[in-house]
Amino acid sequence: AQSVTQLGSHVSVSEGALVLLRCNYSSSVPPYLFWYVQYPNQGLQLLLKYTTGATLVKGINGFEAEFKKSETSFHLTKPSAHMSDAAEYFCAVSDRRGGGSQGNLIFGKGTKLSVKP
Amino acid sequence: DSGVTQTPKHLITATGQRVTLRCSPRSGDLSVYWYQQSLDQGLQFLIQYYNGEERAKGNILERFSAQQFPDLHSELNLSSLELGDSALYFCASSLTGDGFGELFFGEGSRLTVL
Repeated sequence: AQSVTQLGSHVSVSEGALVLLRCNYSSSVPPYLFWYVQYPNQGLQLLLKYTTGATLVKGINGFEAEFKKSETSFHLTKPSAHMSDAAEYFCAVSDRRGGGSQGNLIFGKGTKLSVKP
Repeated sequence: DSGVTQTPKHLITATGQRVTLRCSPRSGDLSVYWYQQSLDQGLQFLIQYYNGEERAKGNILERFSAQQFPDLHSELNLSSLELGDSALYFCASSLTGDGFGELFFGEGSRLTVL
């Protein structure tokens, strides 16, 4: 069965500093991996996804993530944090029972990012 | 705006009662998903429908049921409500429902059970 672990429920960075949000997954088949962002009182919005091909994936708002199969990781980074990046970030893996995709996503517990001025 | 509409936005009810949450997917999307978000459990997948048929089931309680109608809107019915059912319930939609594409989330329905 697939699962996702996000290290750190809260991360605080200064404006302009590097953002690193960690995600490790467990999957017996090649995973499809996603990062979603949730701003206060809003639904989740896709930041980026990895399905196949290039392992470094670029997303919206300057975020990127690298799929590392050997480390079973899909960490999210942004070189320079902005105040508007303060939100909760969720890593997710596509539910791939039997090798096919069920279509639904299995989410991590989320990491709340705070950005200090 | 994701294009996914959920109603009601807020709902307060008592234990033992029954409520219905409604979701209109993004225009053209055939698949609808329901998720429950709570502080202790995080985002839990409940159920997925594709073009009116149930496609996948997650941690959905027997007291909960859902359906997708011919016009593709979906309803999640929660009955015999307990305090622990208080949560934010999200609906999401996607075009194909195959896990490759993006899920578009509504703003959620916040249920409070007193």
